[in-house]
Amino acid sequence: DSGVTQTPKHLITATGQRVTLRCSPRSGDLSVYWYQQSLDQGLQFLIQYYNGEERAKGNILERFSAQQFPDLHSELNLSSLELGDSALYFCASSVVGSGGGETQYFGPGTRLLVL
Amino acid sequence: GDSVTQMEGPVTLSEEAFLTINCTYTATGYPSLFWYVQYPGEGLQLLLKATKADDKGSNKGFEATYRKETTSFHLEKGSVQVSDSAVYFCALRKTSYDKVIFGPGTSLSVIP
Repeated sequence: DSGVTQTPKHLITATGQRVTLRCSPRSGDLSVYWYQQSLDQGLQFLIQYYNGEERAKGNILERFSAQQFPDLHSELNLSSLELGDSALYFCASSVVGSGGGETQYFGPGTRLLVL
Repeated sequence: GDSVTQMEGPVTLSEEAFLTINCTYTATGYPSLFWYVQYPGEGLQLLLKATKADDKGSNKGFEATYRKETTSFHLEKGSVQVSDSAVYFCALRKTSYDKVIFGPGTSLSVIP
């Protein structure tokens, strides 16, 4: 158990709909990352937040948005869903270790199926 | 741009066989290197990491050495078990609090 929690575990919805995925980082971790894992694209970075502020953007579609709240949990909002958005969405949080290196710990993921 | 290449498999081995999964990377500077494992139906788990050249990461019998001269981080295990069946991802990160760049993953099946 990484200490990162994600809800829901599974989500089935229809094209055109909007969903919200939730992530709670490990206690004390300020940084949250979102990744998408799909069969054709592999694991891709979407977006990063650090202590409530957006820090970096990757291959995130304009239909997708995210935010990190004062209690450090994060939500990923996916709208106008398409069949191709079906994927496993991971959240990760990170901490800098005693040696200075940072380690990202991943949650169990939310499996999204768009029908 | 920065990238990670690894043998895609699938790799099928008999129990107690020796495992090597090759991983090479392209990146400027001195990235940190990682191996993550994803068991069937589960999320990603950090298996091991190395943060500088010649470092050896190890965990659960798996090892990988950061080779700057060959830009490689090959994963090895001396004797695999059925429970090691999973997908293994090699990854790099340029700086702290940067995104992780993953390879395509290597599927490993260990048969009794």
